[in-house]
Amino acid sequence: EIVMTQSPATLSVSPGERATLSCRASQSVGSNLAWYQHKPGQAPRLLIFGASSRAPGIPARFSGSASGTEFTLSISSLQSEDFAVYYCQQYNNWHSFGQGTKLEIK
Amino acid sequence: EVQLVESGGGLVQPGGSLRLSCEASGFRFDNYAMYWVRQAPGKGLEWVSGITWNGNRIGYADSVKGRFTISRDNAKNSLHLEMNSLRPEDMALYFCAKGGEMLYAPLASWGQGTLVTVSS
Repeated sequence: EIVMTQSPATLSVSPGERATLSCRASQSVGSNLAWYQHKPGQAPRLLIFGASSRAPGIPARFSGSASGTEFTLSISSLQSEDFAVYYCQQYNNWHSFGQGTKLEIK
Repeated sequence: EVQLVESGGGLVQPGGSLRLSCEASGFRFDNYAMYWVRQAPGKGLEWVSGITWNGNRIGYADSVKGRFTISRDNAKNSLHLEMNSLRPEDMALYFCAKGGEMLYAPLASWGQGTLVTVSS
């Protein structure tokens, strides 16, 4: 089973600033890495797939990058609607999620 | 428009059984892998199980292996999760999610979830 580890658990950022979220895989997942945004009472929303490709309709302020088993989600110029919980997920060997990063308003 | 509607959740005693269903519409159901993902109260997302378009490959999280069974009925555009020997730690909101035509694809569409409560 591939273990995904996200950091930090909570990130406090002011609106308009940049947020950087990290995710590490316990073994290689290639580029089979996705990021999701999840708000209370809603279904999770796919943001990034293939480590760096934005899903349809996702604003350009969301970007993903990868270096080996280390993955990063960056959100430039945070908007009020961006404050949520973010999960990384590998889909190279079935699926597994990180424990999530809560992005909160500073 | 893709729609996934889960049903079958409810209150069950520890050791009991429950069968979840997911009705799909808006896409060619028999072309896509399908999945179950859950979220326990106050916790993160946990992948539970997945099944390929034709049912030839099935996977389970270690936490549910041997107790849960995923299945699909392509003629009825439906996905199911048979849950046996339920434990308090199985209590969660269970989401149905659509994968890709290939096995290795993200979860692009999700339902709203059905709540399973395990308590005596």
